[in-house]
Amino acid sequence: KAGVTQTPRYLIKTRGQQVTLSCSPISGHRSVSWYQQTPGQGLQFLFEYFSETQRNKGNFPGRFSGRQFSNSRSEMNVSTLELGDSALYLCASSFAEGGYEQYFGPGTRLTVT
Amino acid sequence: QQQVKQSPQSLIVQKGGISIINCAYENTAFDYFPWYQQFPGKGPALLIAIRPDVSEKKEGRFTISFNKSAKQFSLHIMDSQPGDSATYFCAASIDYQLIWGAGTKLIIKP
Repeated sequence: KAGVTQTPRYLIKTRGQQVTLSCSPISGHRSVSWYQQTPGQGLQFLFEYFSETQRNKGNFPGRFSGRQFSNSRSEMNVSTLELGDSALYLCASSFAEGGYEQYFGPGTRLTVT
Repeated sequence: QQQVKQSPQSLIVQKGGISIINCAYENTAFDYFPWYQQFPGKGPALLIAIRPDVSEKKEGRFTISFNKSAKQFSLHIMDSQPGDSATYFCAASIDYQLIWGAGTKLIIKP
């Protein structure tokens, strides 16, 4: 079974721009969660989507948004990028919603200059 | 309080020794406690998980010990190997969300 894939793997953007990251979950998984990982803050939960609906949201500003498509693929968008948004963005998929038995992708390394 | 406190921040263990990483929590509503292993350049990988109605779970060389009254849980890696060198994260689930510990960088010396 193919694992979770994320594209692109690396991204360099300028302050003020926007970015869209993509995540394809494991086949059959309907839940996709997004996390931000930084050396200082560790893993921070962004949001979870299950069956195209946002089920849960972490404590991030509205510049961070996402969506999930009918095939369970998910995208995350960050608008008006700030230097502090530089991080590894991880996507995790699971069969059920709620953070149980999550399988992570390799992440997208975003650098904002 | 929705925090999970993980210690130590870093750990060096000799090959063949036992690695022990601890986590503590306050909120008794947490209902699922996984441990993840992360290698550089990779996403975290689920290692082992436990529910609060169980005091211990073992999978190969990895054991979770869970102390409900003390609100603590720990990961024990028996016969630690250089290939176990990685960052380990504990987490706890509440309201359909995982709360993560800060991570422990484990180095196994040959």
